[in-house]
Amino acid sequence: SAVISQKPSRDICQRGTSLTIQCQVDSQVTMMFWYRQQPGQSLTLIATANQGSEATYESGFVIDKFPISRPNLTFSTLTVSNMSPEDSSIYLCSVRKEANYGYTFGSGTRLTVV
Amino acid sequence: SQQGEEDPQALSIQEGENATMNCSYKTSINNLQWYRQNSGRGLVHLILIRSNEREKHSGRLRVTLDTSKKSSSLLITASRAADTASYFCATIYTGANSKLTFGKGITLSVRP
Repeated sequence: SAVISQKPSRDICQRGTSLTIQCQVDSQVTMMFWYRQQPGQSLTLIATANQGSEATYESGFVIDKFPISRPNLTFSTLTVSNMSPEDSSIYLCSVRKEANYGYTFGSGTRLTVV
Repeated sequence: SQQGEEDPQALSIQEGENATMNCSYKTSINNLQWYRQNSGRGLVHLILIRSNEREKHSGRLRVTLDTSKKSSSLLITASRAADTASYFCATIYTGANSKLTFGKGITLSVRP
């Protein structure tokens, strides 16, 4: 399975600022996924990041708030823009190497907005 | 929206006992997966069962899938304190283009 390095692991940010989260994969993958996990909740898919094309956002998530870059097959970033306390969550990236295999997740970024 | 619903939402057992967690889903799936999450960190993939499979084993884990009832169960045998974590079922439903949809999760506490 793939190995993902996600950073930062945690951050405390002021409202109105932006934070960029990075995920580096040790091998090439076609699709990368970004999830949000609000406190005490399950994971919600934010968007699917494909190399060479615009990310595909889920209902309730927009590019202006969560811009995503995917410059190559091993790297992606998610930016949380103009943050408010409601953005305080764990953000996770994920990849899957092959169909009918499990997904690998990064270790998560715990974001607190004050 | 979330596809899976687990029950119970919280489970507390003694070390050595078996833990059974259930998951139900709403629409046709390609496969169902179980994940573990320790203390709000990254998720670890435990086991995947395809829609044409009924039972699967991995070490102390046993997963069943009943597509007629749209439900799955995860059994952890001879539990250990280190099994204390949150457990999530997740599905790739038919036509979802590889998107994984998570249930609400079960908090398992194993008392030493």
